[in-house]
Formats: sequence, structure tokens, C-alpha cells
Amino acid sequence: QVQLQQSGPGLVKPSQTLSLTCAISGDRVSSDRAAWNWIRQSPSRGLEWLGRTYYMSEWNNNYAESVKNRITINPDTSKNQFSLQLNSVTPEDTAVYYCARMDILGTTRQFDYWGQGTLVTVSS
Amino acid sequence: EIVLTQSPGTLSLSPGERATLSCRASQSVSSSYFAWYQHKPGQAPRLLIYGASSRATGIPDRFSGSGSGTDFTLTISRLEPEDSAVYYCQQYGSSPLCSFGQGTKLEIK
Repeated sequence: QVQLQQSGPGLVKPSQTLSLTCAISGDRVSSDRAAWNWIRQSPSRGLEWLGRTYYMSEWNNNYAESVKNRITINPDTSKNQFSLQLNSVTPEDTAVYYCARMDILGTTRQFDYWGQGTLVTVSS
Repeated sequence: EIVLTQSPGTLSLSPGERATLSCRASQSVSSSYFAWYQHKPGQAPRLLIYGASSRATGIPDRFSGSGSGTDFTLTISRLEPEDSAVYYCQQYGSSPLCSFGQGTKLEIK
């Protein structure tokens, strides 16, 4: 059974960097059949996919256009986890952030395992 | 860019009734890459349907998905009070790489 455990601060000041970590158990961040994603949810924007990292012969990343200039998602194989960094945050980045796994080797694509969510508030 | 539009925005029904939730894509979406989620306050979203019509593990058969191309439907027969939630559709593979609909809020009276 895959479990994802999120950690990180719940309050970030405007213009600073939001940093969250997602620890994986029951799977490997370097698995060649899974992509590791960050998704956020806010009342104004609903669910918004932010980006992913995955290993397929080499490490790959994909990011949403809306945040691609501010986002970095990194794997950490030594700790079997991956992280989200979102730079230059504004109050509009206030949301519940989720990490989630997607199987990318099968014939379908869906988020089958999710972290518990972290409410991040951007405020001074 | 593919946009997923869900309707209705809010649905209010009684226990035992049937709910029909719609998701329309602005361009054709692969059925294999289409899914539905249930989201309750304070919880992570829960996968209900993947591949447009396959139920995820542990999902009761009251939940069913159908559709193809640009029109997809989630049907919940015999509503129960615990079905109150926001339901999202999701597509993968087209620009943007992954996107969700804006959600349908289902209220059980």
C-alpha cells in the first residue's frame, strides 16, 4: 500500500519561497512506472495541477504554464521523497497543497494515491 | 488548451435518488485518460472512476462512469448521505498536461 506523508510550513510571507516535502512509503520515487505530482486546491481555482517529476532513463519534470517560471519539483532518492518549491509567492498562492502519485506505465492515467494535504497561507 | 466544464455547479438531491454529473471537454479527450474524484472537506481527493468507466478499488457499484470524446458522465445511483462532496473530472495528456473541471457540489438533503 502506497502512502504519501506531506510536511512543511503552513505560513509563508509574500515574495518568499513555499517549500513542501512528500515522503513516500510502499513505492520508490525512482520507480519507472510512477510520476510524482503536486496539486493544489483553492476556493477560487478548484483543483490545479502544478507539476510532476518522474524517472524514465533519466529524471524528467513537467510544469503547469501558470507556475512554470516559479516552480521546482525535485526527487530525493536517498530519502525516497520529493519536494515542491514555489518562488515569489503572493496571497493568490494560498491553497491546500497535495502530493499525488500517477501510474504512467499502464493504459490509463489517474492520481491513485494522495498525501493528506497541507494548508499553506501566504500572509505577512 | 483543453478546458473541462462541469455541470451543474450544485446539485441538491435526497437519499435514494440518482445523481447525474456532467463533464464536457472543449476538445476530444482520450477515454483512457479521463477520471472522476470525490473531494470532502478536510480530506484528500478520492479516486472514483478511471479510464472513464472503471471503478477504483473499494468504490461501491452505485458509482458509474460513462462517455467518450468530449462528453463524460458520472452517475451515482441510490444516493446516501455520505455522498455529499465536491466531484471533479480530470483529463490527462492534452495541453495542459493535466487539468481538472471546476467541480460539482453534491448536497444530500
